[in-house]
Amino acid sequence: KQEVTQIPAALSVPEGENLVLNCSFTDSAIYNLQWFRQDPGKGLTSLLLIQSSQREQTSGRLNASLDKSSGRSTLYIAASQPGDSATYLCAVYSGGGADGLTFGKGTHLIIQP
Amino acid sequence: NAGVTQTPKFRVLKTGQSMTLLCAQDMNHEYMYWYRQDPGMGLRLIHYSVGEGTTAKGEVPDGYNVSRLKKQNFLLGLESAAPSQTSVYFCASSDSGQPNQPQHFGDGTRLSIL
Repeated sequence: KQEVTQIPAALSVPEGENLVLNCSFTDSAIYNLQWFRQDPGKGLTSLLLIQSSQREQTSGRLNASLDKSSGRSTLYIAASQPGDSATYLCAVYSGGGADGLTFGKGTHLIIQP
Repeated sequence: NAGVTQTPKFRVLKTGQSMTLLCAQDMNHEYMYWYRQDPGMGLRLIHYSVGEGTTAKGEVPDGYNVSRLKKQNFLLGLESAAPSQTSVYFCASSDSGQPNQPQHFGDGTRLSIL
């Protein structure tokens, strides 16, 4: 059974810092990996999707990498801002048209002004 | 562009009552999913559908039923609500099971069972 772990569970940093969120998964047979953002009491917003054949994806100040063989992904946030404060979720899709996403429990990020 | 719309947004039920949660998507997606989110547990898949008229069980299907009579709608039913079903329910859809297709999520339904 696929398991996804996110470290750290919580992180608080001053504004302007660059930071890295980590995600690991136990079964490397994945189709893709998605990073989501969730604000309190809100739904999930997709940030980046990395296909299994890709090594990284970038969107603005966000960069996500994938090392499928080692079962790891990182989300790099450059020049953090208070508006980046949210919970970040990592999820893997094992494909086959079934079974949905397997989620980690998230990293709760606070950016101090 | 509405994307994925869930109704209702909030609901309080008494134990034993029944209700249906509605998910509608306007992206012509084939695949639809229901998840629940609980503190300390993350999101877990309840049921999913790979096309109109199809449904399948996910990780935590007990106590729920689903139907996909129309391609754009995916209904989640609770026949006899229990306090353990207090949760936030999210619906998602994707165009297909291909690697380049992300899942798009609704804003959630917050359900409390007293």
